[in-house]
Amino acid sequence: KQEVTQIPAALSVPEGENLVLNCSFTDSAIYNLQWFRQDPGKGLTSLLLIQSSQREQTSGRLNASLDKSSGRSTLYIAASQPGDSATYLCAVKGTYKYIFGTGTRLKVLA
Amino acid sequence: DGGITQSPKYLFRKEGQNVTLSCEQNLNHDAMYWYRQDPGQGLRLIYYSQIVNDFQKGDIAEGYSVSREKKESFPLTVTSAQKNPTAFYLCASSISYQETQYFGPGTRLLVL
Repeated sequence: KQEVTQIPAALSVPEGENLVLNCSFTDSAIYNLQWFRQDPGKGLTSLLLIQSSQREQTSGRLNASLDKSSGRSTLYIAASQPGDSATYLCAVKGTYKYIFGTGTRLKVLA
Repeated sequence: DGGITQSPKYLFRKEGQNVTLSCEQNLNHDAMYWYRQDPGQGLRLIYYSQIVNDFQKGDIAEGYSVSREKKESFPLTVTSAQKNPTAFYLCASSISYQETQYFGPGTRLLVL
């Protein structure tokens, strides 16, 4: 059974810092992995989708990597800003559904 | 404007009552999904539909029902059999089952 873990559960950093969020999964047989952002009381916004054949994806200040063999993905945020404060969720796509992690709650201090 | 809409934003359910949450998309997506989010837990899949007139149970389908009569619409009914319905409900859609999921703004269901 696929399990997705995100560590740490919460993170506070000063503005301008580069940071890495971690996502690990137990079954390497995945179709893709997706990173989402969720603001309090809101829906999820897709940030990056990495197909199983890919190693990384980039969008602006965000870079996501995927290492299927070790069951790990990282989301790198460069030059963090207060507007980046949110909960970041990773989700792994298996045979027919996504399994979500519980998220990392990020706070960027001005 | 293309997107996914959910209504209402807040919904109150009385004991023994069935309530229906609306989800509409104008993205021309084939696949649609319903998730439940509880504090401190990841999203859990309730039902999903890959195509009109077809839907499948997810991990926590008991006490819920859905229909998919139109491509744009995937309403979720929370029945009286669902004993702990208080949660944040999220609807999503994707072009096909393998592609990026796009989420609606969510409906918060509370029990009176």
